[in-house]
Amino acid sequence: AQTVTQSQPEMSVQEAETVTLSCTYDTSESDYYLFWYKQPPSRQMILVIRQEAYKQQNATENRFSVNFQKAAKSFSLKISDSQLGDAAMYFCALIQGAQKLVFGQGTRLTINP
Amino acid sequence: DTGVSQDPRHKITKRGQNVTFRCDPISEHNRLYWYRQTLGQGPEFLTYFQNEAQLEKSRLLSDRFSAERPKGSFSTLEIQHTEQGDSAMYLCASSLTGKAYEQYFGPGTRLTVT
Repeated sequence: AQTVTQSQPEMSVQEAETVTLSCTYDTSESDYYLFWYKQPPSRQMILVIRQEAYKQQNATENRFSVNFQKAAKSFSLKISDSQLGDAAMYFCALIQGAQKLVFGQGTRLTINP
Repeated sequence: DTGVSQDPRHKITKRGQNVTFRCDPISEHNRLYWYRQTLGQGPEFLTYFQNEAQLEKSRLLSDRFSAERPKGSFSTLEIQHTEQGDSAMYLCASSLTGKAYEQYFGPGTRLTVT
């Protein structure tokens, strides 16, 4: 069975600073995708960044980057130059095969002005 | 707007009543997924369709839950004899076949059972 664990229920960061959200996962497959989703309050789930397991290079999307450690089954999200609009719940997720997403419990990120 | 839409956005019902939610996927997407998200938790998979065929159901989907996608377009999720434990956000997502890694989510339907 696949599992995704986010051990930080809440994180906060000063505006313009950098913050890292942690995620660990477990899967028996070698081919899978990992994701970070953002869910602002009362708004829909938005994909932030995606990493394909077979790619060694860490994915980057503007201010968002990941540290993918396949052997350690670790997938952290770094947000640089944090902005007020980054405040949200962040979910780490995994998919293998062609089926369903498996999500972690989420990390609530607060941005302090 | 060509995104995933869900109706209603909010539903309040009394325990024991039946409720039905609708999801309209992105028009060319033949995969449609339902997830349930309880307060403070990540979404959990319920079921998914490939066109009109329901290919997988989670153990979370008790006998009181039924989902359909009759013409391979929109989908409905019905909950019979609602219980307070059914209170949650019900999320719908869609994707192209072979691109489950690109699921687009709708805004969700928040169900409150009183």
